[in-house]
Amino acid sequence: DAGVIQSPRHEVTEMGQEVTLRCKPISGHDYLFWYRQTMMRGLELLIYFNNNVPIDDSGMPEDRFSAKMPNASFSTLKIQPSEPRDSAVYFCASSLDGTQYFGPGTRLLVL
Amino acid sequence: GQNIDQPTEMTATEGAIVQINCTYQTSGFNGLFWYQQHAGEAPTFLSYNVLDGLEEKGRFSSFLSRSKGYSYLLLKELQMKDSASYLCAVRGPALYDKIIFGKGTRLHILP
Repeated sequence: DAGVIQSPRHEVTEMGQEVTLRCKPISGHDYLFWYRQTMMRGLELLIYFNNNVPIDDSGMPEDRFSAKMPNASFSTLKIQPSEPRDSAVYFCASSLDGTQYFGPGTRLLVL
Repeated sequence: GQNIDQPTEMTATEGAIVQINCTYQTSGFNGLFWYQQHAGEAPTFLSYNVLDGLEEKGRFSSFLSRSKGYSYLLLKELQMKDSASYLCAVRGPALYDKIIFGKGTRLHILP
């Protein structure tokens, strides 16, 4: 069974550009989570969905960040415009019974 | 609010035993997780405790005391591949509340 799939795995962009990160959760999982990880702040929850509906977006840093889940098998996290301080590893995770399974992450570098 | 504390770094010797402690203060509690994260990779699930006591799984064991807000992860017969970060994470009062992660403990194994 395939795990959580994320794309791209690496992204390098310039300040001001739009960045879109993609996630395909494990089939049958009804919860999807977006995290950001940096050395300074550790693993931070940005937003999570249940049955495609956003439940808690209190971790989204500001209006430049938005996330959607149009169906059970796909979610996006968008940053527009991007800034150098957004450089981090972004993880998507999904769960069915409370245990979260993480994707490989997208390593984002904003120059 | 929620606060999770764990040591930043630890060092141990191959073949030995190491205990990684985690203390937490939360406004509600419905389970504590331990995740392992190798450098450059995604966190992977190790253990889950919701009741007091010890859960053993091969070389790894996890202990929880809810009254003390305390958990530890015990790793026996250490191997070089156990060099990784170990993340303690706590879930809020509802079964599907969000999980808050500690900053992790970086474990170095010496030959």
